[in-house]
Amino acid sequence: DTAVSQTPKYLVTQMGNDKSIKCEQNLGHDTMYWYKQDSKKFLKIMFSYNNKELIINETVPNRFSPKSPDKAHLNLHINSLELGDSAVYFCASSQDMIGTDTQYFGPGTRLTVL
Amino acid sequence: AQTVTQSQPEMSVQEAETVTLSCTYDTSENNYYLFWYKQPPSRQMILVIRQEAYKQQNATENRFSVNFQKAAKSFSLKISDSQLGDTAMYFCAFMEYGNKLVFGAGTILRVKS
Repeated sequence: DTAVSQTPKYLVTQMGNDKSIKCEQNLGHDTMYWYKQDSKKFLKIMFSYNNKELIINETVPNRFSPKSPDKAHLNLHINSLELGDSAVYFCASSQDMIGTDTQYFGPGTRLTVL
Repeated sequence: AQTVTQSQPEMSVQEAETVTLSCTYDTSENNYYLFWYKQPPSRQMILVIRQEAYKQQNATENRFSVNFQKAAKSFSLKISDSQLGDTAMYFCAFMEYGNKLVFGAGTILRVKS
């Protein structure tokens, strides 16, 4: 039983296209996150949602729009894709937002923009 | 802003030996949390161990233990009896307010047979 799942695992697309990555967690957690891992393996948070409400937005370009239809899902939609968007995108979840909560990561989605 | 520094880009260890990965961080907060995550070639991010800053006792999980030096802002990971399956990239991470994880640049660990 996968705790945090993402679809698709791989995504190859052309510059200028719009694409979405889906994330689902079956842990009953209230908080979900999106992280970006660049080509040098550096990981940085993009967004976090708690109970479907946006909590953290790390000055990500507004071409990136997260959407949380319910607590178990946090999708990432990217408009007008650019070459620099190529990266691995990780979804994560935690029980809540307090410091004791460990974050559990999904398997990642490798996005390649050509 | 908090920063996390991992000064060893790559390390190697023989199977069954012990290796220590270094991590330092910078913060003005008194209460915080520190983590080590492992990323094997499969790309999955796996929690290895966590430490609460208010606890003086070093965390231990089977073959993995930490040396937490709060005054020095140091948080190293010791892996005992290294196994081939330990080959991975290891990330040190600091948890800020709001549950935002700040990661170091990572250390690639190769376990050799």
